[in-house]
Amino acid sequence: GAVVSQHPSWVICKSGTSVKIECRSLDFQATTMFWYRQFPKQSLMLMATSNEGSKATYEQGVEKDKFLINHASLTLSTLTVTSAHPEDSSFYICSATGALASSYEQYFGPGTRLTVT
Amino acid sequence: DAKTTQPNSMESNEEEPVHLPCNHSTISGTDYIHWYRQLPSQGPEYVIHGLTSNVNNRMASLAIAEDRKSSTLILHRATLRDAAVYYCILRDEGGSEKLVFGKGTKLTVNP
Repeated sequence: GAVVSQHPSWVICKSGTSVKIECRSLDFQATTMFWYRQFPKQSLMLMATSNEGSKATYEQGVEKDKFLINHASLTLSTLTVTSAHPEDSSFYICSATGALASSYEQYFGPGTRLTVT
Repeated sequence: DAKTTQPNSMESNEEEPVHLPCNHSTISGTDYIHWYRQLPSQGPEYVIHGLTSNVNNRMASLAIAEDRKSSTLILHRATLRDAAVYYCILRDEGGSEKLVFGKGTKLTVNP
């Protein structure tokens, strides 16, 4: 099956710094990637949808200037949390759909746990 | 997005069948019923999906009510590795690809 990886799997950063999370589709071209955030004991919340080569579409209430998304190639999307604060600590998960992958299935990465101190 | 309702939690014993219900009374004619599950500290994974007919795959079966207002995910023989949160999601195949996750059902499997 199609594989999506994320890097890093966990990261600790200081308040006020920025952190970048990578999402890669390893064996298919991801025309669309999604970024989710999940707080402890809660469900996944969709943050944004990104299509290769175009600007991401953010969900209502998600600050686009704080969560920068770049989908520069068909296999890589990045999420940069700028000026991170402790309330940004969360589990960030990406998913992807695309050519040669199943048309009905979203493939999820393993997630990145961000802790802001 | 059409809403789904699932029990917060369910328990099962190992090697017994598990029936996970989902209500979706406002489902539209073009909504597919998707099931994903999320194991602890991992990203979700696809389980199964269907439109009107019952569906089977290597992981599970999906039974869809005739009026499509409810469905049931069936794990034929639960194992400890099936302990996860199971999400029932409606997706309009002609619309956006995005998935809107509800709270899901946390399945506990007892040895």
